[in-house]
Parts: sequence; structure tokens; C-alpha cells
Amino acid sequence: AQSVSQHNHHVILSEAASLELGCNYSYGGTVNLFWYVQYPGQHLQLLLKYFSGDPLVKGIKGFEAEFIKSKFSFNLRKPSVQWSDTAEYFCAVNEANTGKLIFGQGTTLQVKP
Amino acid sequence: GAVVSQHPSWVICKSGTSVKIECRSLDFQATTMFWYRQFPKQSLMLMATSNEGSKATYEQGVEKDKFLINHASLTLSTLTVTSAHPEDSSFYICSFSGLNTEAFFGQGTRLTVV
Repeated sequence: AQSVSQHNHHVILSEAASLELGCNYSYGGTVNLFWYVQYPGQHLQLLLKYFSGDPLVKGIKGFEAEFIKSKFSFNLRKPSVQWSDTAEYFCAVNEANTGKLIFGQGTTLQVKP
Repeated sequence: GAVVSQHPSWVICKSGTSVKIECRSLDFQATTMFWYRQFPKQSLMLMATSNEGSKATYEQGVEKDKFLINHASLTLSTLTVTSAHPEDSSFYICSFSGLNTEAFFGQGTRLTVV
């Protein structure tokens, strides 16, 4: 069965520090890849997505992610985090021929001011 | 993007009663909708795939007799939690995602069973 694994469960950073959250998936076919963010008390918001083309994807709020097919990875990065980036981050994979999303376990990011 | 409307946004019910959650696609026709459940501080777990005009497909471990899904039209899918118990308290979210599109989520329903 397809699965998504996020390696970092809880990350604590100081403002201006760089961020990288790992995401690996297990599926041999064509996939679409996503990162979602959930701010405290709010609903899911799409950060960025990859369907095809340039494997380096830029999203909102300065986030980017790189798809490395050989490593089945789609890591999220941000050069300099802000206190407002404190949230839960979810990596998700969409099988290209089914449409259903499989989510990773989520990573709680806490940014200290 | 597509608009998905879900309601109620929150509901409190007594143990043993049933609760219906509606999910509507406002500006598109959805042959397939997805239902997720999110426990506090946990990830979203896919519960089932709702197929218009046919039976829903449930993920392993999800009781189909407890979580009744009906997708009678191209714009409406419903999830009914039958004989609810406190352990069913959770955040339920519907979504639509095409074969090669991002997912569009409803606002979610916070269910509390007392």
C-alpha cells in the first residue's frame, strides 16, 4: 500500500533559521505531491504542489520543495523562518490515477521569536 | 479553484444518536469525493471514497456500517455517523481532487459526542 513518511515529528527553530522537513513516499507509479500547512485552529492550506516539470517547486510564503524521484522524496525548505510559520505541516501524495490523497504523519513546527 | 462547502461546521450529539454531515461542490460536478478524519494533533486519515451513484469504497479498518456515505448527486455527498460514541469525536473533512489536480477541502466538521 502507498504510504507517506515524514521524518521530523516536532521541530523547534529560532526565527531566521533555515528549515528543511523531510518527506518520503512509497509508490512506484506516477504521483502528484503536495505540502499543506495547518495553522492553529485553522483548516488545511496548500503550500505548494508538484505535478510534473521542474522538480524544484516554489510555493507561497517563501516555501519551496524539491522532488527527487530516485529518492522518492519531496522535502520542504524555507531559508529563513518566521514566528508566524509556527504550524503543522503535512506532506501528501496523490496517486495520479485515483485522486485520493495519502497524508504523512505531520510535522509540528515551533518557531521561537 | 473549486469550492467545497461542508456543514455543519461543528456539532455536539448524545452518545447513541446519529449525525449527518453534508459536503457540497458549489461550482463543479464531482463524481468522486473523499472523506477524511483528523484526531487532535494527528494527521488526516482517508476514511472512504464516495462515488456518485454507487457504493462508497472504504479504507481498511473503517466500519462501513457505522460511517454511512451517500453520494446521490454530482454535487452532494453525505457522511452519517451512526450510533455515535465518544471515540467518534473527531474532525471530519471532505474533499474533491481530480486525477491531476490539487485537492479542494471543505471547511471540516468538528464532531463531539457526549
